[in-house]
Amino acid sequence: GQNIDQPTEMTATEGAIVQINCTYQTSGFNGLFWYQQHAGEAPTFLSYNVLDGLEEKGRFSSFLSRSKGYSYLLLKELQMKDSASYLCAASDSNYQLIWGAGTKLIIKP
Amino acid sequence: ETGVTQTPRHLVMGMTNKKSLKCEQHLGHNAMYWYKQSAKKPLELMFVYNFKEQTENNSVPSRFSPECPNSSHLFLHLHTLQPEDSALYLCASSHRTSGGYNEQFFGPGTRLTVL
Repeated sequence: GQNIDQPTEMTATEGAIVQINCTYQTSGFNGLFWYQQHAGEAPTFLSYNVLDGLEEKGRFSSFLSRSKGYSYLLLKELQMKDSASYLCAASDSNYQLIWGAGTKLIIKP
Repeated sequence: ETGVTQTPRHLVMGMTNKKSLKCEQHLGHNAMYWYKQSAKKPLELMFVYNFKEQTENNSVPSRFSPECPNSSHLFLHLHTLQPEDSALYLCASSHRTSGGYNEQFFGPGTRLTVL
């Protein structure tokens, strides 16, 4: 079957760094997406990886290892506004997105 | 503002009511989706439309009935729902190409409560 695993909740301190991990098992693979969702709002696109390696975009970076079925989202210089849920989604052989349950990130001052 | 709008934002209905959710995308996309989001569960894909044609129906109960009159509008008609159908219903759109990159743009959702 198809499955995405990510931690349910994480807590970090303002100004620090946090890494949110995601492992996936899909029938075929066409890339890995990360989305951010603030409470009561729409999920918004953060990053896309299809090749192995690290993609950096400002304070956020995303890493992919296709051989390990593993990705992480790295958030640096955490700000209070980064408190949100972070959704991992893998694109399968039909280009449908298979979603994880999301990781709720709590930032403390 | 993602270019995808949904109405209503909140809906409370009884099990015998009939209501409809509306989604509109202003992005020129050719695919639209309905998802159900329940607390602490992954997004559940309900329906997919490509160029107004339904291409996915993930074993959704018949009390949910989608309608896609054109590539910009998507409806979800609801009737005789159950309390366990209470959830956030998200609409999304994307530009599907043969290359497969499928970034989806989401609306803010409709928070549905079934009494």
